Amino acid sequence: QVQLQESGPRLVRPSEMLSLTCNVSGASMSSYFWSWIRQPAGKGLEWIGRIHASMRTNYNPSLQSRLTMSIDTSKNQFSLTLTSVTAADTAVYYCVRLSPGTPRYFDYWGQGTPVTVSS
Amino acid sequence: EIVLTQSPGTLSLSPGERATLSCRASETVSNSFLAWYQQRPGQAPRLLIFGTSARATGIPDRFSGSGSGTDFTLSISRLEPEDFAVYYCQQYGTSSYTFGQGTKLEIK
Repeated sequence: QVQLQESGPRLVRPSEMLSLTCNVSGASMSSYFWSWIRQPAGKGLEWIGRIHASMRTNYNPSLQSRLTMSIDTSKNQFSLTLTSVTAADTAVYYCVRLSPGTPRYFDYWGQGTPVTVSS
Repeated sequence: EIVLTQSPGTLSLSPGERATLSCRASETVSNSFLAWYQQRPGQAPRLLIFGTSARATGIPDRFSGSGSGTDFTLSISRLEPEDFAVYYCQQYGTSSYTFGQGTKLEIK
């Protein structure tokens, strides 16, 4: 059973950096893409970016200038760093696995972690 | 970027009725690259349908997907109480992903 669990601070100050980590269990990270998706309260889903076990990344163009993703397969975890945050970055952040082969859909989701940007 | 527009925004139906949810894309989407998710309150989204019409593991057969090109549909044949939730369509293209804004299925 694949399980993903997000961790990180729930409150971040404006203009500072948001860092989240996702711990993966029940599956090898090799050969998969891993992704972050966020959801502001009462709103829809926004894809943030993806990273492969090979460390290849693709980011949402709207976030690319502030975003870095990394992966450590030896620890079974991947991470997100978003700089210069504003209130618009307040959301529930989900870590997600992309489907095997062609990574066309999201098959396993973490429970989500709420992050608030506020002073 | 391909924009997905879902309709209606809210659908009010009774248990036992049939639900039809629409997802329209701003450009052609490959049938292989269209998926649907269900999100219940306070929960993470759950994969329902991938490749336009294939049900994910454990999804009951009352859920079905269809469509092609720019028009896709999620149908639920006989609504159960646990089906009342928000539904999102999602497409994959050129190393990026977009979601529709969601359809809320509520009890009438």
